[in-house]
Amino acid sequence: QQQVKQSPQSLIVQKGGISIINCAYENTAFDYFPWYQQFPGKGPALLIAIRPDVSEKKEGRFTISFNKSAKQFSLHIMDSQPGDSATYFCAASRGSSNTGKLIFGQGTTLQVKP
Amino acid sequence: DAGVIQSPRHEVTEMGQEVTLRCKPISGHNSLFWYRQTMMRGLELLIYFNNNVPIDDSGMPEDRFSAKMPNASFSTLKIQPSEPRDSAVYFCASSLAFTTGPGGSPLHFGNGTRLTVT
Repeated sequence: QQQVKQSPQSLIVQKGGISIINCAYENTAFDYFPWYQQFPGKGPALLIAIRPDVSEKKEGRFTISFNKSAKQFSLHIMDSQPGDSATYFCAASRGSSNTGKLIFGQGTTLQVKP
Repeated sequence: DAGVIQSPRHEVTEMGQEVTLRCKPISGHNSLFWYRQTMMRGLELLIYFNNNVPIDDSGMPEDRFSAKMPNASFSTLKIQPSEPRDSAVYFCASSLAFTTGPGGSPLHFGNGTRLTVT
């Protein structure tokens, strides 16, 4: 029940295309859902996060869509750029305890071709 | 803001040796986390501290692992004795957790220590 399942494992997108990464969770007590971006040799960095009281959050080219009833959330990267090539992790936590106590998905390696 | 600082960046050691990883959290943050990243298990939480006190160490794999936070600006993760299966990237992260009510600031990760045990 503590797992967060992420798909696909890898993704190749043309420059300018839309990248979509999906995650599903089981624990209904989760109430904080961040996405992290990781470049080789670096630590994960927060990209965008959402709480279940909204169905969508947009920051620039990055959008989280959240479906509480289905217990799924997804990251959409619009107008994907080569600089977006990285590994993306979804995560979940119970904000009532500590938003840093995260359960991570397995990661998606995104390659954006020029 | 210097971010979370970890040292060393790389550590190569022989099986059976003691390994100590170090972390300096972001100034003002009151929560500190140690995560481990491997290909097989992904990113997993080992232990976290609030206000220098260990809160949850359920992710620490074995008694060979120990972590301390003697003050707000320093933490160590020690493995003794080390084994080849401990080879991984170890991340330290920090955040500002609210002491009253839910939520907090985002989690900020250091750049990790890549540990290789031969």
